[in-house]
Amino acid sequence: QQQVKQSPQSLIVQKGGISIINCAYENTAFDYFPWYQQFPGKGPALLIAIRPDVSEKKEGRFTISFNKSAKQFSLHIMDSQPGDSATYFCAASGGATNKLIFGTGTLLAVQP
Amino acid sequence: DAGVIQSPRHEVTEMGQEVTLRCKPISGHNSLFWYRQTMMRGLELLIYFNNNVPIDDSGMPEDRFSAKMPNASFSTLKIQPSEPRDSAVYFCASGRLAGEGEQYFGPGTRLTVT
Repeated sequence: QQQVKQSPQSLIVQKGGISIINCAYENTAFDYFPWYQQFPGKGPALLIAIRPDVSEKKEGRFTISFNKSAKQFSLHIMDSQPGDSATYFCAASGGATNKLIFGTGTLLAVQP
Repeated sequence: DAGVIQSPRHEVTEMGQEVTLRCKPISGHNSLFWYRQTMMRGLELLIYFNNNVPIDDSGMPEDRFSAKMPNASFSTLKIQPSEPRDSAVYFCASGRLAGEGEQYFGPGTRLTVT
């Protein structure tokens, strides 16, 4: 019940296309859902996050869509650029703990 | 503002040796997390501290691993004795207890045990 399932494992998108990464969770106590971006040789960096009181959050080209009833959330990258090529992790936390449970990651490659 | 600082950035050691990884969290943050990242197991939480107190060490793989946080600005992760399977990138992250839940990661220490 503590898992966060992420898909796909890898994704290839053409420049200008839309990248979509999905995550699902079971623990209904989760109330914070961030996405992290990691470039090779670097630490994960917080990209965008959402709480369950809204169904969507947008920051520039990045949007989180949240479906509380389905216990799913997704990251959409609009107008994907080669510079977006990185590994993306979803995560969740909540309840009595402030620790994050991470998904397994999605390796995104945006082809020019 | 300085981010999370980790040292060393790279460590190569022989099996059986003691390894100490160091972390300085962002000033004002009162939660600190140690993670390990490998291709096989992904990003694993090893232990975390709130207000310098260890809260959850269930991710620490074995007694060979220990972590301390003697004050709000410093933490160590020690492996003694080290084994080749400990080879990984170790990240430290910090955050605010009263915040939204954000964690900010350091650059990591790449550990290679031969």
